[in-house]
Amino acid sequence: QKEVEQNSGPLSVPEGAIASLNCTYSDRGSQSFFWYRQYSGKSPELIMFIYSNGDKEDGRFTAQLNKASQYVSLLIRDSQPSDSATYLCAVGNSNYQLIWGAGTKLIIKP
Amino acid sequence: GAVVSQHPSRVICKSGTSVKIECRSLDFQATTMFWYRQFPKQSLMLMATSNEGSKATYEQGVEKDKFLINHASLTLSTLTVTSAHPEDSSFYICSASPLNTNLNIQYFGAGTRLSVL
Repeated sequence: QKEVEQNSGPLSVPEGAIASLNCTYSDRGSQSFFWYRQYSGKSPELIMFIYSNGDKEDGRFTAQLNKASQYVSLLIRDSQPSDSATYLCAVGNSNYQLIWGAGTKLIIKP
Repeated sequence: GAVVSQHPSRVICKSGTSVKIECRSLDFQATTMFWYRQFPKQSLMLMATSNEGSKATYEQGVEKDKFLINHASLTLSTLTVTSAHPEDSSFYICSASPLNTNLNIQYFGAGTRLSVL
């Protein structure tokens, strides 16, 4: 079983709709959770991090964490074509490393 | 804030030459820096974890004599690909974790695209 799992997609969402990206992790002791965005040919860019159960909002982005279910999600409201990218979920481990999901490719259709 | 500079952005070299890639945290001190490699349409692969003043910790399957890492200060780490061969062609990305944070947060450089002829 992979430590951090994401659906590879592509996930196709109409412009203006809500895009919902999901991630599950296996290490119940994990404390920190991250969402990165990676455009094709570019390096990852941090969007949000969360470490407490519940929701955390930043502009059009909301991260949701449920430690009991070992589940992290990212919601993107009012999706724009510029949001089209691969979204990487990462979970911090005790060695200060990030364990990465394989990423979900998101396509926002105009 | 939290800017990581990585140079060069692109390198084309002949087989057998060595290539040095620099990674600098510009506006923060980094406890730890990480080096990743990414092949087309694949996920990030951690190569090594580097702490200032100590030897890097390499992931399984990564040759330490092939990929030399030097972390001379809290703002600079370098990766040298020695005797590069075509199979070393890839996208190399560094990241840095700020000092005094326990959230595993990493900020990434722009990456270096290495092409070995």
